[in-house]
This record gives sequence, C-alpha cells and structure tokens, in this order.
Amino acid sequence: GEDVEQSLFLSVREGDSSVINCTYTDSSSTYLYWYKQEPGAGLQLLTYIFSNMDMKQDQRLTVLLNKKDKHLSLRIADTQTGDSAIYFCAERSGGYNKLIFGAGTRLAVHP
Amino acid sequence: DAMVIQNPRYQVTQFGKPVTLSCSQTLNHNVMYWYQQKSSQAPKLLFHYYDKDFNNEADTPDNFQSRRPNTSFCFLDIRSPGLGDAAMYLCATSRDLGQNNEQFFGPGTRLTVL
Repeated sequence: GEDVEQSLFLSVREGDSSVINCTYTDSSSTYLYWYKQEPGAGLQLLTYIFSNMDMKQDQRLTVLLNKKDKHLSLRIADTQTGDSAIYFCAERSGGYNKLIFGAGTRLAVHP
Repeated sequence: DAMVIQNPRYQVTQFGKPVTLSCSQTLNHNVMYWYQQKSSQAPKLLFHYYDKDFNNEADTPDNFQSRRPNTSFCFLDIRSPGLGDAAMYLCATSRDLGQNNEQFFGPGTRLTVL
C-alpha cells in the first residue's frame, strides 16, 4: 500500500544546513512534494520534484530524489530561526491528485 | 489576496453532538478537499469534490459527510462526533485534478470533542 515515512524531529544550529529525509512506497508516484507548516497555519507548498529528476534546487532548498531506493530529501542551506516548522513529505498517488503525507518532521533551529 | 478560509479556527463540541466545519475559497478552483490531521500524524484525505462530483475515500467513516452548495463553499459535517474525531481538519483546493495541480491549504479548524 501507499506509505510515506519521515523522522519526527530534527534540531540544527542557526547557519548550519538541515537535511530532512523521507521514504515512500509507491513507485508509480509522478510528483513528490515538500510542504511546510508553521504554528497555527495551514500547509504551504515549498517545492516539488518530478519523478524523472534526480535533483532540484530552489534558492536555499535542494531536493534530492533516489527513485531506486524511493528516498527523498530536503536540504535547507543556512538554516534560520524562521525555518523552524514542521516539514511534510508527500507523494501524489492515483489519477485524481490525491496526496499521501508523511507524519512530518519538526525542525527546531537553535542559536 | 486569493485564499482558502476556514471557519471557525477552533471548534468545541460535545460527544455525539453534530458539528459543521466551513471552508471557502476565492481562487475559483474546481476541486476542494477535506483532510483530517490527528496529533503528530500525517494529514489524511477524507474526500474531495470535483465541481459537484463527490468522491469519498474508501476508509472515510460514514460519520463524516460533506456538502458543496457552490464553487466557493464546502462544508464538513460530522454527524455524531466521538472522542477519536478530535483533530485538525484541513481544507484544500486545486484548480483541477490533472498532473501536478498544486493544492492550496487553509489554516485548518481544530476540533475538540468533550
């Protein structure tokens, strides 16, 4: 069945890079996404990658996709306190835009 | 700004007392979704509307229903809330159902069941 897994917590120092990892099971997923959820707010799409790509870079964000291992990662360069949030990995499943989410990784940035 | 609005942000109801959560959008999107997110868990799709067509996920309990009276509004009705229905309920919209139609999320309604 469909399943997306993430580690639940990551703590980094301000200015360091953060790497959030995710594994998924549906090999037919065409798009994979990273969403950010700040306290009291909805999910905000950060970036996505199409399944025929290995890497996508967008300013401080780098997404790496290893399709063979069904592993997705999000690297945030020069992590700031404003990056503290919960980050959700999601795969698009089925023909009707259904998103399967992981449980989220809580990123804590400390001075 | 075009957006997805959810009201109320916090809702308290009693065990077994019907409750309705509201979502509206100014994006004029065809598709509206309802997700349930329990504490420290992944958001889980309950159902979606494509225009007036309702699509229920196979494992969504019968206790949950939805209405979409027009393009802008979609309601989530919980007929007899149980303690296990306490969660954040997220509404989302997308322009269409095809490849990579971004879903735009509202801020959510946190439901407490006493």
